[in-house]
Amino acid sequence: DTAVSQTPKYLVTQMGNDKSIKCEQNLGHDTMYWYKQDSKKFLKIMFSYNNKELIINETVPNRFSPKSPDKAHLNLHINSLELGDSAVYFCASSPHRDGGFGNTIYFGEGSWLTVV
Amino acid sequence: GENVEQHPSTLSVQEGDSAVIKCTYSDSASNYFPWYKQELGKGPQLIIDIRSNVGEKKDQRIAVTLNKTAKHFSLHITETQPEDSAVYFCAASKVGSARQLTFGSGTQLTVLP
Repeated sequence: DTAVSQTPKYLVTQMGNDKSIKCEQNLGHDTMYWYKQDSKKFLKIMFSYNNKELIINETVPNRFSPKSPDKAHLNLHINSLELGDSAVYFCASSPHRDGGFGNTIYFGEGSWLTVV
Repeated sequence: GENVEQHPSTLSVQEGDSAVIKCTYSDSASNYFPWYKQELGKGPQLIIDIRSNVGEKKDQRIAVTLNKTAKHFSLHITETQPEDSAVYFCAASKVGSARQLTFGSGTQLTVLP
């Protein structure tokens, strides 16, 4: 009964490869996110989707392409992986798109990506 | 855009002592300030939050204070226990902002038995 689940949890891959991380939430939320956490633990939003519509696209290389087939799923595809892509990627969801009280963001457990 | 600074980056306390983590924010329009706890190998989880119309909020051993004038807010943990050891993040947001949360850089809290 995991609220936000993402797979795989660990991913080791070579430079230049293409990989995907899948995410699903069973909370009935409208909004989903991808966050990146670097080696210094800094959390930064990458993308936000609301009911399958992209609403936030931070300055992320276009090698990163999110896809939301429905509002319960938000997958992240990464092309031509680089060493600097090594990080923990967190999927998250919240009830709606507007920031503020009552719109708690729930995080998945993270996907550890290592590019060698 | 919003900028959130968090201090200290690491904090060690003896079990039973109190721990305080401080954050400052730059956007005076921010009006919602949550705190997240990230245990090793897990995703961040909300532990307490405060709105800008409230100066202090308490939930058992944790409390958060907010000074809107100075644009800073703090997390206070009393009677710390080993299970409080984790990374704590402060964040700031404003109602209606699709950008959601801007996180601080995190504080690694270690509670020594």
